[in-house]
Amino acid sequence: AQSVTQLGSHVSVSEGALVLLRCNYSSSVPPYLFWYVQYPNQGLQLLLKYTSAATLVKGINGFEAEFKKSETSFHLTKPSAHMSDAAEYFCAVARNSGGSNYKLTFGKGTLLTVNP
Amino acid sequence: GAVVSQHPSRVICKSGTSVKIECRSLDFQATTMFWYRQFPKQSLMLMATSNEGSKATYEQGVEKDKFLINHASLTLSTLTVTSAHPEDSSFYICSARTGVGPTDTQYFGPGTRLTVL
Repeated sequence: AQSVTQLGSHVSVSEGALVLLRCNYSSSVPPYLFWYVQYPNQGLQLLLKYTSAATLVKGINGFEAEFKKSETSFHLTKPSAHMSDAAEYFCAVARNSGGSNYKLTFGKGTLLTVNP
Repeated sequence: GAVVSQHPSRVICKSGTSVKIECRSLDFQATTMFWYRQFPKQSLMLMATSNEGSKATYEQGVEKDKFLINHASLTLSTLTVTSAHPEDSSFYICSARTGVGPTDTQYFGPGTRLTVL
């Protein structure tokens, strides 16, 4: 079964510092991976997705993620954190649920706090 | 970008009553809609998947008679929590997708916070 594991339920950085949120996947087939962000009391917004076209994926708000097969990882990074980046971040993998249907399986999430 | 709305955003009800939550894709037609629930500080758990005009597919452990899903059109899906109890209190989030492929983007609604007294 395909799954993702997010290492670290809470990450705290200073404003302007590097953001690194970790996600490792488990999949017997080439995975389709996603990062979503959730602001308080809101739904999820797609940051970026890996579709096997390129290993380095650039997303919105300055975020990017690199797919590393050898490490089974898809870590999310941003060079310089802003206060507005404070939110919950979810890594997800699309798993085949039969036929051509795919469903997302989410990691447990990482809460990012940004300190002034 | 594509927008998914949910109504209501917040609902408080008494134990034993039923609550209906609407999910609409505002500017696109959704072939598939998903319903998730999220407990505080936890991840999203998929409850069911629905396709327009057909019965919803429920995940293991989700009571289909308690969580009724109706996907009436390509832009509207409803979740009815029947005979709600305090343990049903949660954040319910719907999602809509235009295609069925693994890379087709899912767009999420803002969620509905249900509190059952």
